[in-house]
Amino acid sequence: DAGVIQSPRHEVTEMGQEVTLRCKPISGHNSLFWYRQTMMRGLELLIYFNNNVPIDDSGMPEDRFSAKMPNASFSTLKIQPSEPRDSAVYFCASGTGGPTDTQYFGPGTRLTVL
Amino acid sequence: AQSVSQHNHHVILSEAASLELGCNYSYGGTVNLFWYVQYPGQHLQLLLKYFSGDPLVKGIKGFEAEFIKSKFSFNLRKPSVQWSDTAEYFCAVNTVAAGNKLTFGGGTRVLVKP
Repeated sequence: DAGVIQSPRHEVTEMGQEVTLRCKPISGHNSLFWYRQTMMRGLELLIYFNNNVPIDDSGMPEDRFSAKMPNASFSTLKIQPSEPRDSAVYFCASGTGGPTDTQYFGPGTRLTVL
Repeated sequence: AQSVSQHNHHVILSEAASLELGCNYSYGGTVNLFWYVQYPGQHLQLLLKYFSGDPLVKGIKGFEAEFIKSKFSFNLRKPSVQWSDTAEYFCAVNTVAAGNKLTFGGGTRVLVKP
C-alpha cells in the first residue's frame, strides 16, 4: 500500500496567493483528517471527514481556509488568500473510522508564505 | 472538552538510558489513548494505543505505556533507548463523545546522544 499521499511536498508562495494542498487517503479508509503543525501551536486538527462528509470543521482558523472531499480518494485544503502566518506543515491522515482507530499520516506539505 | 498535557518539552539522554515521557489528559469519561512518534523529517506514526483491557500496553520498538485512570495519565516508557529513538513523541486522546477526533499534546522532543 502506498500510504497516504500528499502533494505538493513543499510549497513556497507569496502573501495573497491561493494555495491548494492535496491528499489521497489509503484505499478503503473512510475517515480523512487535515492537521496543521507549527512550533508555536503544535499539532492542530483543522477538519475531518467521514464518508466524504465534513463532520467537524471547528479547527479551521478562518474563512480563508476551506476543505473539500469530492470522492473517497481525494481531498483538498485551500487557503485563499494566504498569509505569512499560515506557514506550517500540513498533514493529511486517514483511518477506517471509530474512536479506537489508528490514523495513518501522510508525509505532509511544508508551506511557506512569504 | 478533552485536553492533553505533555510536561516535558525537551529531553536529552544518552544511549542505554531509560526513558519516561509524561502524558496527562483531562476528561472524566472513557478515553482512548495513543502515542505517536515523528522521526526527523518523517510523518507521524503510531507507537501504541490503549482503549480497554490490560492498562500496560506494549508497542513497537520496545516502547510501552501504562494507563493509570486515577491519575489521568498515560506515560510512555522504554527501558534502554537507542540513538535511533531520537524523535518527537506525541500523546493523543480520543473520547467516545468526540468520536474519532484526536486531541494531541504539545509533543516532547527526545534527543538521544550516541
